[in-house]
Amino acid sequence: GAVVSQHPSRVICKSGTSVKIECRSLDFQATTMFWYRQFPKQSLMLMATSNEGSKATYEQGVEKDKFLINHASLTLSTLTVTSAHPEDSSFYICSARDPGQETQYFGPGTRLLVL
Amino acid sequence: GEDVEQSLFLSVREGDSSVINCTYTDSSSTYLYWYKQEPGAGLQLLTYIFSNMDMKQDQRLTVLLNKKDKHLSLRIADTQTGDSAIYFCAEAYNYGQNFVFGPGTRLSVLP
Repeated sequence: GAVVSQHPSRVICKSGTSVKIECRSLDFQATTMFWYRQFPKQSLMLMATSNEGSKATYEQGVEKDKFLINHASLTLSTLTVTSAHPEDSSFYICSARDPGQETQYFGPGTRLLVL
Repeated sequence: GEDVEQSLFLSVREGDSSVINCTYTDSSSTYLYWYKQEPGAGLQLLTYIFSNMDMKQDQRLTVLLNKKDKHLSLRIADTQTGDSAIYFCAEAYNYGQNFVFGPGTRLSVLP
């Protein structure tokens, strides 16, 4: 299957700093990418849908100014957690939709710990 | 909205079969998936089934789909300790644009 990578895989930062997470589709062009968040012992919850060349669509309750999403190319979407706080600590997983396959491929996740 | 439900816990003895069940609500689902997540790791796609199929077998894994009842199951034959993990059921619809995950079933394999 197709490969989606995320970078970094793990990040620790101080409260108040911003953190950028990259999501790349390695062998296909993804017009749509998705960002999910997973709290410990919980399921994945969709945060936002990122469309190449346009603004992201955020799910209810997700602060767009807090979680900045940029989808500048067909193979790269970035999620920036601005002014991170300890409650933002979580596992962030991206996925990329392959239109030719009608499915999403998931990245390995990025574990964020805010001290 | 769309909803996917699973039982939260399952314990089996090593060598026995495990059956993890899932129910979903969206009848327009195109694909249904099973993912495995080990502690601290990402999602590993185990298998999937197209909505017009009722069974799929892949080595130790058997997926059964009852579309009328919107019920999906994953059977793991000869369960091993390495199968201990959380298993997520997910449904995809709208040509893969939308994925909804269940809460996950924590499988514990006892020696």
